Amino acid sequence: GENVEQHPSTLSVQEGDSAVIKCTYSDSASNYFPWYKQELGKGPQLIIDIRSNVGEKKDQRIAVTLNKTAKHFSLHITETQPEDSAVYFCASGDGTASKLTFGTGTRLQVTL
Amino acid sequence: DGGITQSPKYLFRKEGQNVTLSCEQNLNHDAMYWYRQDPGQGLRLIYYSQIVNDFQKGDIAEGYSVSREKKESFPLTVTSAQKNPTAFYLCASNEGGDTQYFGPGTRLTVL
Repeated sequence: GENVEQHPSTLSVQEGDSAVIKCTYSDSASNYFPWYKQELGKGPQLIIDIRSNVGEKKDQRIAVTLNKTAKHFSLHITETQPEDSAVYFCASGDGTASKLTFGTGTRLQVTL
Repeated sequence: DGGITQSPKYLFRKEGQNVTLSCEQNLNHDAMYWYRQDPGQGLRLIYYSQIVNDFQKGDIAEGYSVSREKKESFPLTVTSAQKNPTAFYLCASNEGGDTQYFGPGTRLTVL
């Protein structure tokens, strides 16, 4: 089955700096890659997703890049703010059966 | 106000007892999912249902059971056969292979 690896497990950046979280996947049939943000004690919230027919997608300070050849995708957050502090999860899916496989999460801490 | 609701937010259970977690959605989504979240392990799929009266086992179904009698409801029962049930349980739903939306979760603690 699909395996998703996520790095780093923790990341600390200063306010205003950029943060990058990377994920690799194993199943070449995967074609849907969402990113979720989870605040303490809450359910994950989708922040951005990308499908395999595009290489990059951007939404204000957040961007995701996808390299299908290398089977990896990354989340980029620019101009980080304290409210960006949370746990971020990547996931992969085949876009049909709707099953998602999740990475193990990255705890992002934005310090003042 | 559309969304997914889970109840209760916190649940305590004695060893040997079955307990049922509620998940309701008013998004008119066909598919619903149950995940278990443990520290440092991400989300693992327990059961999912793509249509009413049908459901499939996920990666860690042992010790759990579900039903899908109504489109908007997908309750999860944690049975006494689940050896390590203390965890954060998340319900999600989606439509047509699109994005999954999550509820707020239920934290289950076995005393």
